[in-house]
Amino acid sequence: KTQVEQSPQSLVVRQGENCVLQCNYSVTPDNHLRWFKQDTGKGLVSLTVLVHENDKTSNGRYSATLDKDAKHSTLHITATLLDDTATYICVVGDRGSALGRLHFGAGTQLIVIP
Amino acid sequence: DMKVTQMPRYLIKRMGENVLLECGQDMSHETMYWYRQDPGLGLQLIYISYDVDSNSEGDIPKGYRVSRKKREHFSLILDSAKTNQTSVYFCASSFEGLSSYEQYFGPGTRLTVL
Repeated sequence: KTQVEQSPQSLVVRQGENCVLQCNYSVTPDNHLRWFKQDTGKGLVSLTVLVHENDKTSNGRYSATLDKDAKHSTLHITATLLDDTATYICVVGDRGSALGRLHFGAGTQLIVIP
Repeated sequence: DMKVTQMPRYLIKRMGENVLLECGQDMSHETMYWYRQDPGLGLQLIYISYDVDSNSEGDIPKGYRVSRKKREHFSLILDSAKTNQTSVYFCASSFEGLSSYEQYFGPGTRLTVL
Protein backbone atom coordinates (compact mmCIF):
# COMPACT_ATOMS: atom_id res chain seq x y z
CA LYS A 1 0.00 0.00 0.00
CA THR A 2 1.36 3.40 -1.01
CA GLN A 3 2.27 5.38 2.08
CA VAL A 4 2.98 8.65 0.27
CA GLU A 5 0.35 10.06 -2.06
CA GLN A 6 0.97 13.11 -4.22
CA SER A 7 -1.54 15.26 -6.04
CA PRO A 8 -2.11 16.25 -8.68
CA GLN A 9 -0.42 13.59 -10.79
CA SER A 10 0.31 16.22 -13.41
CA LEU A 11 -0.13 19.95 -13.76
CA VAL A 12 0.25 22.44 -16.58
CA VAL A 13 0.75 26.13 -15.78
CA ARG A 14 1.76 29.18 -17.74
CA GLN A 15 5.10 30.81 -17.09
CA GLY A 16 4.76 33.35 -14.31
CA GLU A 17 1.84 31.63 -12.59
CA ASN A 18 2.05 30.16 -9.10
CA CYS A 19 1.28 26.54 -8.30
CA VAL A 20 0.81 24.29 -5.27
CA LEU A 21 1.71 20.62 -5.02
CA GLN A 22 0.28 18.38 -2.32
CA CYS A 23 1.67 15.44 -0.39
CA ASN A 24 -0.28 13.24 2.03
CA TYR A 25 1.35 10.38 3.85
CA SER A 26 0.70 7.66 6.40
CA VAL A 27 4.34 6.88 7.29
CA THR A 28 4.91 6.39 11.01
CA PRO A 29 7.08 7.61 12.54
CA ASP A 30 7.56 10.63 10.31
CA ASN A 31 11.00 11.99 11.19
CA HIS A 32 11.31 14.35 8.22
CA LEU A 33 9.84 15.16 4.83
CA ARG A 34 11.87 16.26 1.84
CA TRP A 35 10.86 17.61 -1.56
CA PHE A 36 12.99 16.68 -4.56
CA LYS A 37 13.04 18.02 -8.12
CA GLN A 38 13.74 15.50 -10.87
CA ASP A 39 14.44 16.87 -14.33
CA THR A 40 13.71 14.49 -17.19
CA GLY A 41 16.41 11.85 -17.42
CA LYS A 42 18.21 13.12 -14.35
CA GLY A 43 18.58 12.26 -10.69
CA LEU A 44 16.76 13.73 -7.71
CA VAL A 45 17.87 17.08 -6.36
CA SER A 46 16.80 18.17 -2.90
CA LEU A 47 14.77 21.38 -2.72
CA THR A 48 13.95 21.57 0.95
CA VAL A 49 13.54 19.48 4.09
CA LEU A 50 10.95 19.85 6.83
CA VAL A 51 11.49 18.30 10.21
CA HIS A 52 9.31 19.80 12.91
CA GLU A 53 5.57 20.07 13.43
CA ASN A 54 4.24 23.05 11.43
CA ASP A 55 7.61 23.68 9.80
CA LYS A 56 7.76 26.22 7.00
CA THR A 57 10.75 26.56 4.69
CA SER A 58 11.67 28.85 1.87
CA ASN A 59 14.27 28.37 -0.86
CA GLY A 60 14.03 31.12 -3.44
CA ARG A 61 10.77 30.69 -5.34
CA TYR A 62 10.10 27.38 -3.57
CA SER A 63 8.39 27.31 -0.21
CA ALA A 64 7.02 24.36 1.72
CA THR A 65 4.88 23.60 4.74
CA LEU A 66 4.46 20.55 6.92
CA ASP A 67 1.55 19.63 9.18
CA LYS A 68 2.56 16.52 11.09
CA ASP A 69 -0.82 16.19 12.80
CA ALA A 70 -2.53 15.96 9.42
CA LYS A 71 0.48 14.18 7.82
CA HIS A 72 0.33 16.67 4.99
CA SER A 73 2.83 18.86 3.16
CA THR A 74 2.58 21.43 0.39
CA LEU A 75 5.18 22.76 -2.02
CA HIS A 76 4.51 26.21 -3.44
CA ILE A 77 6.30 27.43 -6.53
CA THR A 78 6.01 31.16 -7.13
CA ALA A 79 6.31 32.87 -10.52
CA THR A 80 7.07 29.66 -12.40
CA LEU A 81 9.79 29.53 -15.04
CA LEU A 82 10.14 27.18 -18.01
CA ASP A 83 13.03 25.51 -16.14
CA ASP A 84 10.62 24.51 -13.39
CA THR A 85 9.28 21.83 -15.75
CA ALA A 86 10.12 18.62 -13.90
CA THR A 87 8.74 15.93 -11.63
CA TYR A 88 8.51 16.91 -7.97
CA ILE A 89 8.82 14.06 -5.52
CA CYS A 90 7.76 14.03 -1.88
CA VAL A 91 9.80 11.72 0.36
CA VAL A 92 9.12 10.88 4.01
CA GLY A 93 11.89 9.51 6.21
CA ASP A 94 10.96 7.42 9.21
CA ARG A 95 14.27 8.13 10.93
CA GLY A 96 16.94 10.78 10.77
CA SER A 97 19.65 8.30 9.91
CA ALA A 98 20.63 5.58 7.45
CA LEU A 99 19.01 3.06 9.79
CA GLY A 100 15.64 4.38 8.67
CA ARG A 101 13.86 4.09 5.39
CA LEU A 102 12.74 6.67 2.88
CA HIS A 103 9.21 6.39 1.52
CA PHE A 104 8.82 7.93 -1.92
CA GLY A 105 5.76 9.40 -3.58
CA ALA A 106 5.22 8.77 -7.29
CA GLY A 107 5.68 12.46 -8.03
CA THR A 108 3.79 15.34 -9.58
CA GLN A 109 4.76 16.12 -13.16
CA LEU A 110 4.79 19.90 -13.62
CA ILE A 111 4.86 21.36 -17.11
CA VAL A 112 5.39 25.11 -17.50
CA ILE A 113 4.37 26.51 -20.87
CA PRO A 114 5.23 29.92 -22.35
CA ASP B 1 31.29 19.49 -5.49
CA MET B 2 29.50 16.43 -4.05
CA LYS B 3 28.83 13.90 -6.74
CA VAL B 4 27.36 10.46 -7.32
CA THR B 5 28.17 8.95 -10.71
CA GLN B 6 26.60 6.02 -12.49
CA MET B 7 27.78 3.97 -15.44
CA PRO B 8 26.50 3.21 -17.93
CA ARG B 9 23.71 5.76 -18.38
CA TYR B 10 21.85 3.60 -20.89
CA LEU B 11 21.97 -0.15 -21.39
CA ILE B 12 20.09 -2.62 -23.55
CA LYS B 13 20.40 -6.31 -22.76
CA ARG B 14 18.69 -9.52 -23.83
CA MET B 15 16.77 -11.68 -21.38
CA GLY B 16 19.14 -14.08 -19.64
CA GLU B 17 22.23 -11.91 -20.01
CA ASN B 18 24.17 -10.66 -17.00
CA VAL B 19 24.07 -6.97 -16.13
CA LEU B 20 26.52 -4.88 -14.13
CA LEU B 21 25.60 -1.37 -13.02
CA GLU B 22 28.31 0.72 -11.41
CA CYS B 23 28.02 3.58 -8.94
CA GLY B 24 30.69 5.83 -7.49
CA GLN B 25 30.80 8.66 -4.98
CA ASP B 26 33.58 11.02 -4.04
CA MET B 27 32.27 12.10 -0.66
CA SER B 28 33.51 9.19 1.50
CA HIS B 29 29.91 8.46 2.48
CA GLU B 30 29.54 5.21 4.40
CA THR B 31 26.04 4.32 3.27
CA MET B 32 25.01 3.70 -0.32
CA TYR B 33 21.77 2.57 -1.91
CA TRP B 34 20.31 1.11 -5.07
CA TYR B 35 16.74 1.99 -6.09
CA ARG B 36 14.61 1.39 -9.12
CA GLN B 37 12.05 3.82 -10.49
CA ASP B 38 9.08 2.65 -12.54
CA PRO B 39 6.32 4.79 -14.08
CA GLY B 40 3.59 5.70 -11.61
CA LEU B 41 5.53 4.33 -8.64
CA GLY B 42 7.83 5.87 -6.12
CA LEU B 43 11.45 4.78 -5.94
CA GLN B 44 11.79 1.31 -4.46
CA LEU B 45 14.81 0.27 -2.40
CA ILE B 46 16.68 -2.78 -3.74
CA TYR B 47 19.74 -2.92 -1.51
CA ILE B 48 21.50 -0.79 1.06
CA SER B 49 25.16 -0.93 1.96
CA TYR B 50 26.35 0.43 5.29
CA ASP B 51 30.03 0.10 4.41
CA VAL B 52 32.47 -2.22 2.64
CA ASP B 53 31.08 -5.79 2.63
CA SER B 54 28.15 -4.74 4.85
CA ASN B 55 25.08 -5.04 2.66
CA SER B 56 21.40 -5.52 3.48
CA GLU B 57 18.37 -6.33 1.42
CA GLY B 58 15.89 -3.57 0.77
CA ASP B 59 12.25 -4.00 -0.13
CA ILE B 60 12.68 -5.68 -3.53
CA PRO B 61 16.01 -7.59 -3.56
CA LYS B 62 14.85 -10.63 -5.53
CA GLY B 63 16.77 -11.02 -8.78
CA TYR B 64 19.56 -8.66 -7.72
CA ARG B 65 22.81 -8.81 -5.85
CA VAL B 66 25.33 -6.17 -4.89
CA SER B 67 29.02 -5.79 -4.28
CA ARG B 68 30.88 -3.19 -2.25
CA LYS B 69 34.63 -3.79 -2.04
CA LYS B 70 35.62 -0.13 -1.74
CA ARG B 71 33.76 2.57 0.13
CA GLU B 72 33.47 4.75 -2.97
CA HIS B 73 32.05 2.06 -5.27
CA PHE B 74 28.79 0.11 -5.13
CA SER B 75 27.75 -2.30 -7.87
CA LEU B 76 24.37 -3.77 -8.72
CA ILE B 77 24.40 -7.12 -10.50
CA LEU B 78 21.58 -8.83 -12.33
CA ASP B 79 22.36 -12.49 -12.98
CA SER B 80 20.23 -13.56 -15.92
CA ALA B 81 18.21 -10.41 -16.50
CA LYS B 82 14.46 -10.58 -16.89
CA THR B 83 12.16 -8.35 -18.92
CA ASN B 84 10.45 -7.10 -15.74
CA GLN B 85 13.78 -5.67 -14.62
CA THR B 86 13.49 -3.03 -17.31
CA SER B 87 13.58 0.16 -15.29
CA VAL B 88 15.58 3.21 -14.34
CA TYR B 89 18.06 2.44 -11.59
CA PHE B 90 19.30 5.07 -9.18
CA CYS B 91 22.24 4.92 -6.86
CA ALA B 92 22.46 7.18 -3.81
CA SER B 93 24.79 7.82 -0.94
CA SER B 94 24.01 9.37 2.40
CA PHE B 95 25.65 11.66 4.86
CA GLU B 96 24.78 11.92 8.53
CA GLY B 97 25.80 15.08 10.27
CA LEU B 98 25.06 16.15 13.81
CA SER B 99 21.73 17.62 12.80
CA SER B 100 21.08 16.48 9.29
CA TYR B 101 20.65 13.45 7.15
CA GLU B 102 20.53 13.63 3.38
CA GLN B 103 20.78 11.30 0.44
CA TYR B 104 22.55 12.33 -2.76
CA PHE B 105 21.37 10.72 -5.98
CA GLY B 106 23.17 9.76 -9.15
CA PRO B 107 21.74 10.57 -12.60
CA GLY B 108 20.31 7.09 -13.12
CA THR B 109 20.85 4.18 -15.50
CA ARG B 110 18.06 3.34 -17.92
CA LEU B 111 18.10 -0.45 -18.42
CA THR B 112 16.04 -2.16 -21.09
CA VAL B 113 15.83 -5.95 -21.08
CA LEU B 114 14.51 -7.38 -24.34
